[in-house]
Amino acid sequence: KQEVTQIPAALSVPEGENLVLNCSFTDSAIYNLQWFRQDPGKGLTSLLLIQSSQREQTSGRLNASLDKSSGRSTLYIAASQPGDSATYLCAVPWGGNMLTFGGGTRLMVKP
Amino acid sequence: GAVVSQHPSRVICKSGTSVKIECRSLDFQATTMFWYRQFPKQSLMLMATSNEGSKATYEQGVEKDKFLINHASLTLSTLTVTSAHPEDSSFYICSARMVAAALYNEQFFGPGTRLTVL
Repeated sequence: KQEVTQIPAALSVPEGENLVLNCSFTDSAIYNLQWFRQDPGKGLTSLLLIQSSQREQTSGRLNASLDKSSGRSTLYIAASQPGDSATYLCAVPWGGNMLTFGGGTRLMVKP
Repeated sequence: GAVVSQHPSRVICKSGTSVKIECRSLDFQATTMFWYRQFPKQSLMLMATSNEGSKATYEQGVEKDKFLINHASLTLSTLTVTSAHPEDSSFYICSARMVAAALYNEQFFGPGTRLTVL
């Protein structure tokens, strides 16, 4: 069974800081790993999808890395802004169909 | 592209009534749709996998007679919560997987439906 863990569960930083969110998974035989953002009471917005053959993906101020062998992924957010405040979720496919989600990291960026 | 909608976005109902939630892929065809439930401050838990033209596959602990899923077309799946009770109050989110993206399992998520059962 695939288990996904995210650390830290919550994070509060001042505006402008660079920060790293961590995601670990127990079964390294994955096709890809996806990072999502969820605002309170809203659905999920896909941020980045890293294929198993890739080491990292970048989108604007976001950079996600993947190390399959160690079962880890990190999401790096550069120059954080108050608008980045949200819950960040990582997820990996498991069992061919379903996505297994981590518990999320609740990020608060203070002005 | 790859937009998924849900309707309604919010519903309040009395205990014992049934509620239907629609999930639509607006600009692509989806052979598979997924229904998730999310309780406050918790992550998403998969309830069932819905395949067009066949019966849904339910996760362990999810009552199929209570949560009826119908995937009638490549763009529409519905979740009906039958005889709803207050403990069914939750945030329900659907996702859809493109036919072309099946190999990579990329899923696109709807905005969610907040169900409150009084």
